[in-house]
Amino acid sequence: NAGVTQTPKFQVLKTGQSMTLQCAQDMNHNSMYWYRQDPGMGLRLIYYSASEGTTDKGEVPNGYNVSRLNKREFSLRLESAAPSQTSVYFCASSEQTSWPSNYEQYFGPGTRLTVT
Amino acid sequence: GENVEQHPSTLSVQEGDSAVIKCTYSDSASNYFPWYKQELGKGPQLIIDIRSNVGEKKDQRIAVTLNKTAKHFSLHITETQPEDSAVYFCAASRRALTFGSGTRLQVQP
Repeated sequence: NAGVTQTPKFQVLKTGQSMTLQCAQDMNHNSMYWYRQDPGMGLRLIYYSASEGTTDKGEVPNGYNVSRLNKREFSLRLESAAPSQTSVYFCASSEQTSWPSNYEQYFGPGTRLTVT
Repeated sequence: GENVEQHPSTLSVQEGDSAVIKCTYSDSASNYFPWYKQELGKGPQLIIDIRSNVGEKKDQRIAVTLNKTAKHFSLHITETQPEDSAVYFCAASRRALTFGSGTRLQVQP
């Protein structure tokens, strides 16, 4: 099992460009998450999906959109990238089917995004 | 919303010593407290977790204690080894996980 995979690993964008970060899991998990990690700030939840076709906003959703394409895949889109979105982005999945979030989360290797 | 504070931000110990990382949380309704370890260039990985109906949990060299009255919980690593060197994150959950800012642990051989 590959677990949680993310593509790309690295990306450099110019301000105003758009891109989609891809995430897939092969553990048949119900829930998937997108986090961003900035120095000294831990991980902050951007969006969450409890099942195919459902998404919820997290702590920092502004400037992002998500799509739960099917049970395996959860993508994060930046429509018009800004320097403030420079960060490392992690996708995660868990067996959780609804709140509260008290199941182990399995993280992907991350995407390092730089916006100039 | 929930606020989690984590201390210290960096910790250096000699191999074989113990390491303690402490976290406090603000939402008294939080009931799940996991600890994640993040190695360089990788995603975080769960190492131990505790729920609010338990005061202490141990797994080999790792233990976590929870004081719900004081709203703080701690990670204890005994007999540290160089492979314990990593960044450790605490988190608290009533609904979504809120993470602390991380502790960089360096174990000197």
